[in-house]
Amino acid sequence: EAGVVQSPRYKIIEKKQPVAFWCNPISGHNTLYWYRQNLGQGPELLIRYENEEAVDDSQLPKDRFSAERLKGVDSTLKIQPAELGDSAVYLCASKTSGASNEQFFGPGTRLTVL
Amino acid sequence: QQQVKQSPQSLIVQKGGIPIINCAYENTAFDYFPWYQQFPGKGPALLIAIRPDVSEKKEGRFTISFNKSAKQFSLHIMDSQPGDSATYFCAAGRGNQFYFGTGTSLTVIP
Repeated sequence: EAGVVQSPRYKIIEKKQPVAFWCNPISGHNTLYWYRQNLGQGPELLIRYENEEAVDDSQLPKDRFSAERLKGVDSTLKIQPAELGDSAVYLCASKTSGASNEQFFGPGTRLTVL
Repeated sequence: QQQVKQSPQSLIVQKGGIPIINCAYENTAFDYFPWYQQFPGKGPALLIAIRPDVSEKKEGRFTISFNKSAKQFSLHIMDSQPGDSATYFCAAGRGNQFYFGTGTSLTVIP
């Protein structure tokens, strides 16, 4: 079974430029998460989807961040415009809607904003 | 308010030692307490998890101790090996909502 796929793995941009990250969760996983992980820190939730509905986006900086999961499968996270402080690893995770609480993480996208 | 507090920030042990990582949580409604292991350049991977109806869970060399009254839980790694060198995160949550600790960087010296 394929794991959570993320692309790109690395991205370097200049500040004020836009950037987008893509995530393909494990097949059948209804719940999808986007986390931001700063260097030396734990993952911090940005947004959680149940199917195509964003059910928790309270920590998403909505002035510059947006996300979508149009068909309840793949998801895209966008930053426009990027700021220096956005440099971090952006992790996508997914889980089933069943009894298991286990989240499966992708390898992340490391963003560097210059 | 930080929902999960983790310590220490870093830990160095000799091969065969038993590193212990501690976490404390705030919300008594949490009912799932996992530990994740993360290697450089990789996403976190579930190592072991516990629910509050038991005080200890062991899987291989990894053991979680859980103290519900103190709202604390810890990870013990028995007979640690250099391959265990990684960053460990505790988490706590309920349903589909989780909060992560700040991580512990473990180095096991051969």
